Amino acid sequence: GQNIDQPTEMTATEGAIVQINCTYQTSGFNGLFWYQQHAGEAPTFLSYNVLDGLEEKGRFSSFLSRSKGYSYLLLKELQMKDSASYLCAARGDSGGYQKVTFGIGTKLQVIP
Amino acid sequence: GAVVSQHPSWVICKSGTSVKIECRSLDFQATTMFWYRQFPKQSLMLMATSNEGSKATYEQGVEKDKFLINHASLTLSTLTVTSAHPEDSSFYICSASPGLAGGPRETQYFGPGTRLLVL
Repeated sequence: GQNIDQPTEMTATEGAIVQINCTYQTSGFNGLFWYQQHAGEAPTFLSYNVLDGLEEKGRFSSFLSRSKGYSYLLLKELQMKDSASYLCAARGDSGGYQKVTFGIGTKLQVIP
Repeated sequence: GAVVSQHPSWVICKSGTSVKIECRSLDFQATTMFWYRQFPKQSLMLMATSNEGSKATYEQGVEKDKFLINHASLTLSTLTVTSAHPEDSSFYICSASPGLAGGPRETQYFGPGTRLLVL
């Protein structure tokens, strides 16, 4: 089976750095995704990690530790438009085939 | 690149009618398409996975006779909600991937979603 845990809400200040954590228990783990979802809209792809380490992409970075079942999304130089839900998703085995399971999402509020 | 469109963006229908939602990958060939449902303040729930030209794989608890999925080409998949009822009201989102489920290219690109309200 698969289980994804991430905080439900976070608040951070414009210009600051925020780290959103995600832990997972996934059979046959084969990749960790982060998506951004603004209220009322569909998710947009942010990052993909399958090997341990940090992947940097502009203001956003994502880290993975397979041995710990742990990932985080790091957002630097926060902007007001970064207020959104951030979904952690893990791919693994489910009923004999590969499946991506999404967490409930972390709602980030950026304040002035 | 990697644009996915969905139509309609919203629909209101009477209970008992059927509703068809289209999902298209505009600038890439989608080997795999996914259909999700999202209720307010909840996460995405995968309904089914479909590969072009083959039958969809439905998640446990999803009625395949009620939610008909057709992945007729590498750029189009349709979801038909048959005999819709008020409890089917939700945000339906499709995603498309250029790779096979479980493969290295299985990054999903989401459509804008369809809001369905069944009266």
